[in-house]
Amino acid sequence: DTAVSQTPKYLVTQMGNDKSIKCEQNLGHDTMYWYKQDSKKFLKIMFSYNNKELIINETVPNRFSPKSPDKAHLNLHINSLELGDSAVYFCASSQPRTAGYGYTFGSGTRLTVV
Amino acid sequence: DAKTTQPPSMDCAEGRAANLPCNHSTISGNEYVYWYRQIHSQGPQYIIHGLKNNETNEMASLIITEDRKSSTLILPHATLRDTAVYYCIVRVANAGKSTFGDGTTLTVKP
Repeated sequence: DTAVSQTPKYLVTQMGNDKSIKCEQNLGHDTMYWYKQDSKKFLKIMFSYNNKELIINETVPNRFSPKSPDKAHLNLHINSLELGDSAVYFCASSQPRTAGYGYTFGSGTRLTVV
Repeated sequence: DAKTTQPPSMDCAEGRAANLPCNHSTISGNEYVYWYRQIHSQGPQYIIHGLKNNETNEMASLIITEDRKSSTLILPHATLRDTAVYYCIVRVANAGKSTFGDGTTLTVKP
């Protein structure tokens, strides 16, 4: 049973399209995150939700809109895709109230914008 | 979150101990040290964490200096499958985010 699952694993799309990436965790964690890893392999946080409430919103274009229907799901919708959005997007979850809990990451979604 | 400094790359012979250093001289008293690794094309994987005492689990050991300004991750018997990028992160336990730096690329050689 995968703890943090993302779909799709690969996504190839044209510039200007709108696409969504889904994430689900079955760990009972309260907090979920979206990270972006670009071609230089730098991992950068984008968003964080705690129990469906947005708590972190880094400097991300407003074309990116996260949605958390419940604490087990955090989806990422991207409007008007640009070439620079090509990257691997990782979802993660954690249980911050418990001191020392690490993050559990999904296996990533490789987005290619052509 | 405190900034960390890690060497960009290290090599290790298979079967030997791999010692990965991390400097975090601006760490605060309530910040933990976390280690993750990312094997090629996979999501980062949590390895171990500690506050001030040394820690050991089935994957690795974490040695934190007494002044907490640096730490070392030890993989006691490195295998080829341990080849990965290793990230050292310091953050408050209940903080909302972990900031990943460039990490250390560990290459385990036969």
